[in-house]
Amino acid sequence: GENVEQHPSTLSVQEGDSAVIKCTYSDSASNYFPWYKQELGKGPQLIIDIRSNVGEKKDQRIAVTLNKTAKHFSLHITETQPEDSAVYFCAASQAGTALIFGKGTTLSVSS
Amino acid sequence: GAVVSQHPSWVICKSGTSVKIECRSLDFQATTMFWYRQFPKQSLMLMATSNEGSKATYEQGVEKDKFLINHASLTLSTLTVTSAHPEDSSFYICSAQRAGGNSPLHFGNGTRLTVT
Repeated sequence: GENVEQHPSTLSVQEGDSAVIKCTYSDSASNYFPWYKQELGKGPQLIIDIRSNVGEKKDQRIAVTLNKTAKHFSLHITETQPEDSAVYFCAASQAGTALIFGKGTTLSVSS
Repeated sequence: GAVVSQHPSWVICKSGTSVKIECRSLDFQATTMFWYRQFPKQSLMLMATSNEGSKATYEQGVEKDKFLINHASLTLSTLTVTSAHPEDSSFYICSAQRAGGNSPLHFGNGTRLTVT
């Protein structure tokens, strides 16, 4: 089955800096890679996703890159703000199947 | 759009009792819903896949007789924790996918279960 590794487990940045979180996956059949933000006591919220036919996707300050050959994908957050502080999860799946999550990254943005 | 409502948001129950958690897709039909469990400061672990009108598929190590899942309609799935024990205390989160299979998963806000 699919296995998703996520690094780093914690990340501290200064407000305005960029943050990068990296994930690798094991199943070459996976073709869908979303990123979720989870705040304390809440369910995960989808922030961006990418499919295997695309190498990069951007939405304002957030971008995701995918390298299918190396089986890794990354989340990039630019101009970080204190409200970006949360736990971020990457995930991987094939269309229509359950998401398999990484272990999460706790991002702390200090002002 | 794509709102998933989960109820209750938190529940405290005594050992030996059963607790039912509801997951509803409010503005779309979901042929498939997924139930996850999350321990403090850990990732989401898939418990089972719930398909409307058929039996749920459970992940290895998840007791189907303890965690009863019912997906009676295209907008509602329920998870019942039977004969709850303190070790069942956890954050249970459902997710739903719009019919079609290629849509993003949307999550409910979770249910914090505490068994005393």
